[in-house]
Amino acid sequence: GAVVSQHPSWVICKSGTSVKIECRSLDFQATTMFWYRQFPKQSLMLMATSNEGSKATYEQGVEKDKFLINHASLTLSTLTVTSAHPEDSSFYICSARYSGGSNQPQHFGDGTRLSIL
Amino acid sequence: GEDVEQSLFLSVREGDSSVINCTYTDSSSTYLYWYKQEPGAGLQLLTYIFSNMDMKQDQRLTVLLNKKDKHLSLRIADTQTGDSAIYFCAETMRFGAGTRLTVKP
Repeated sequence: GAVVSQHPSWVICKSGTSVKIECRSLDFQATTMFWYRQFPKQSLMLMATSNEGSKATYEQGVEKDKFLINHASLTLSTLTVTSAHPEDSSFYICSARYSGGSNQPQHFGDGTRLSIL
Repeated sequence: GEDVEQSLFLSVREGDSSVINCTYTDSSSTYLYWYKQEPGAGLQLLTYIFSNMDMKQDQRLTVLLNKKDKHLSLRIADTQTGDSAIYFCAETMRFGAGTRLTVKP
């Protein structure tokens, strides 16, 4: 159980393109989903917390207009990187937490490798 | 400094035990977690321990928690080459930098 599906797993696109990444909890409901960014050989950096039915909470230094988050249902959150540039190239990972409370563990997707040319 | 700290590298021989250590700062965390990340993949929840426990065993994995010292460890018995990965210690929302475990045949 507790499967989180992330799509796509890998995307390459030209500079200036907007890219949408989906995060789905397949067998449980997730009130809260998280979006992380991971640079090579580094830990995860929390970008934003996505709450179903409300606006996402962004971490300091993360541009909300650049990284648009929509959490329209209890099983789906999307991250759109708008007008992506080479410096946005990274590994983006989402996670979802059971609706049971903040002490529940996070379950992670397999990540999306984004390469901007 | 980081709220969750762990050593960056560990190398062991196949069949030996691996012990990955972690220190944390938030004593209010109800659970503490260990995640595994293989190259190019997301994080896999390995195990977690409730904060009022001092030990949890799950097959080859043993988690020890010293709440007084805010020290958490993960022991992998009979380490296999397939265990080579990065292991992250985490409080609810904070992750350590990850320990890269290399298992040599």
